[in-house]
Amino acid sequence: DGGITQSPKYLFRKEGQNVTLSCEQNLNHDAMYWYRQDPGQGLRLIYYSQIVNDFQKGDIAEGYSVSREKKESFPLTVTSAQKNPTAFYLCASSGRRGFKNEQFFGPGTRLTVL
Amino acid sequence: GQQLNQSPQSMFIQEGEDVSMNCTSSSIFNTWLWYKQDPGEGPVLLIALYKAGELTSNGRLTAQFGITRKDSFLNISASIPSDVGIYFCAGHEGTYKYIFGTGTRLKVLA
Repeated sequence: DGGITQSPKYLFRKEGQNVTLSCEQNLNHDAMYWYRQDPGQGLRLIYYSQIVNDFQKGDIAEGYSVSREKKESFPLTVTSAQKNPTAFYLCASSGRRGFKNEQFFGPGTRLTVL
Repeated sequence: GQQLNQSPQSMFIQEGEDVSMNCTSSSIFNTWLWYKQDPGEGPVLLIALYKAGELTSNGRLTAQFGITRKDSFLNISASIPSDVGIYFCAGHEGTYKYIFGTGTRLKVLA
C-alpha cells in the first residue's frame, strides 16, 4: 500500500533534549512537508522540501531543523531551542497527477516534553 | 502565515441532517482540497477540486470550487455519527505551499 508513515506515534522527552521525528513516504512524491498542530488549532507549516537536498522554512521554523537526503524520507528534529515543543506533528507529501495536485498526510506524532 | 477563513467554526447537528460549510480566501487558487481529521489522527483527503465551478461528489459528500476561485463549499448529506470530526479546506495556487483553513468542528447528535 502506498502512503506516509510517521514514527513513533507518541514521544516523550525531557526538556532540553533534541528529538527527531521520522517521516517516510512511498508515493514517489517530490515534495514533503512538516506541520505543527496545537489543540483546537489549525495547521502551521514548519518546513517543506520540494526536492532532495533542498528545503525551505515555513511559518514557524525557529527551533526546528530538517534534512532531505532521500526522496522517501524527511526527518524533523525538534531542538532544545524550540520554546514550546509539545504538540501534534504531521508530515505530508504532495505530487502531481497530470495537472492535479494532491497532498496527503501521515498519521502524526504526538510529542510531549516533560 | 496566511490561513483561510472557514465557517462555521463548529456545529452541532442532529443525525440525518444535511451540513454545509465554506472556505474563503483573499487569493485565487488553482486547487481546493477538503480533508477530515479524526481525533489523534492525520487529516484524510476527501475531495479535490481543480476547476472553477467544478462540483464533485464522494458518497454523501459534495464539494464545489467557487466561480471566483476564492472560495469553496462542502456539503454532507444525511449526516451520521461517524461524520464527527474536524473538516479542513486547503487551497493551492501552483507553488509547493498549501494554505489551510481554520477548521470546522462537526458534532452529530444521535
